[in-house]
Amino acid sequence: QVQLVQSGAEVKKPGSSVKVSCKASGGTFSDHTFTWVRQAPGQGLEWMGRVIPIFGKASYAQKFQGRVTITADESTSTAYMELNSLRSEDTAVYYCARVGFYCTSTSCYDSWFDPWGQGTLVTVSS
Amino acid sequence: QSALTQPRSVSGSPGQSVTISCTGTSSDVGGYDSVSWYQHHPGQAPKLMIFDVSKRPSGVPDRFSGSKSGNTASLTISGLQAEDETDYYCCSYAGTYTWVFGTGTKVAVL
Repeated sequence: QVQLVQSGAEVKKPGSSVKVSCKASGGTFSDHTFTWVRQAPGQGLEWMGRVIPIFGKASYAQKFQGRVTITADESTSTAYMELNSLRSEDTAVYYCARVGFYCTSTSCYDSWFDPWGQGTLVTVSS
Repeated sequence: QSALTQPRSVSGSPGQSVTISCTGTSSDVGGYDSVSWYQHHPGQAPKLMIFDVSKRPSGVPDRFSGSKSGNTASLTISGLQAEDETDYYCCSYAGTYTWVFGTGTKVAVL
């Protein structure tokens, strides 16, 4: 049973950066893509980006391009999300999740998010 | 990437059925069969309820079902129970290795 455990809550000043970790256990880390989703207070879920550990390749939502970096360390089975130039609107709970996939006879396609980490509250305040 | 459109809230009495719609475009919902649904209790991690439009993970009651027609996906909860009262989000692959969530729907059990 795969389990994702995230780092603890953070309080940051506007303009600074935050790096949240997501450690996987119980499965083969490199077999999957990992994604990050956030939920600001009173708002819905928002997809931020994803990383493929074996290739180190990441893709991001347009909204976060240039401000977020998602990486993965295969040696420690840990995914990371770093968000720069923090502003008060970035106050949110940040979740990591493993991406499930299906395969056809020719290719495999990333599709759903499961399991999820417990979430990390990042508060941006002066 | 605009969020997929969901009704703000739906409600039903115990035992009834409710359906949540999730409307996107041909670039996301209509273009791929990678639509998933998540149940989200505040303060907890989201839980996968439906994947690949209509497949149910093991452990999810068969009261939950999914479907899609054109650019709109739907989640139906049959035999509504008190424990089903919470927030639900759809999510779709949107091409070029990106995903988009729905705006979220609050299910109320009357």
